[in-house]
Amino acid sequence: GAGVSQSPRYKVAKRGQDVALRCDPISGHVSLFWYQQALGQGPEFLTYFQNEAQLDKSGLPSDRFFAERPEGSVSTLKIQRTQQEDSAVYLCASSPPPGLAGARQEAKNIQYFGAGTRLSVL
Amino acid sequence: GENVEQHPSTLSVQEGDSAVIKCTYSDSASNYFPWYKQELGKGSQLIIDIRSNVGEKKDQRIAVTLNKTAKHFSLHITETQPEDSAVYFCAASIGDTGRRALTFGSGTRLQVQP
Repeated sequence: GAGVSQSPRYKVAKRGQDVALRCDPISGHVSLFWYQQALGQGPEFLTYFQNEAQLDKSGLPSDRFFAERPEGSVSTLKIQRTQQEDSAVYLCASSPPPGLAGARQEAKNIQYFGAGTRLSVL
Repeated sequence: GENVEQHPSTLSVQEGDSAVIKCTYSDSASNYFPWYKQELGKGSQLIIDIRSNVGEKKDQRIAVTLNKTAKHFSLHITETQPEDSAVYFCAASIGDTGRRALTFGSGTRLQVQP
């Protein structure tokens, strides 16, 4: 597809379950971000990848949260032993590489967002 | 770190009227300010952005203004239409957002009454 794809769209988990959320970025985008959006709030940064390297994970709220992008394309956000406070929409965004030939100076800075995964922990 | 505040949280206007949403930021090093439109079931869509080297940018019915001294920026939508109804988020970032996270405001729910 042309956009960022996230799956599943909805996930209901019982407290204590592990969940895995998937993000398929736009083809060729080297930068990938995960954000957490609580109800009625703006997205908050969780972690950032450049290719397969996780360069910033300062936003991960606890060691129950883990993200990976082993081949520099698809990324998975895993939450272990889910808690009710983990209920939120998890957004993934990707951005084109900084040196992409032909990319407008402005376009390379844009983050393109997926529709998100709504996680409900009961 | 950066803190972005956004007002109002809800805004209701009549079709054809203008809507203005305001944001302030705390980090004077921030130099990139995008606005996103979020609709149910859809990804957040970038509608306009501005960089700190300009004070105003316009794209058809949408404009953004930036006051670096006061550290605030605003979204202006003219001739509003029902399809403009959505939640709008402002954001701020330092440097190249291809490699830097965005800090978002808390959002404004815009309702355009037909």
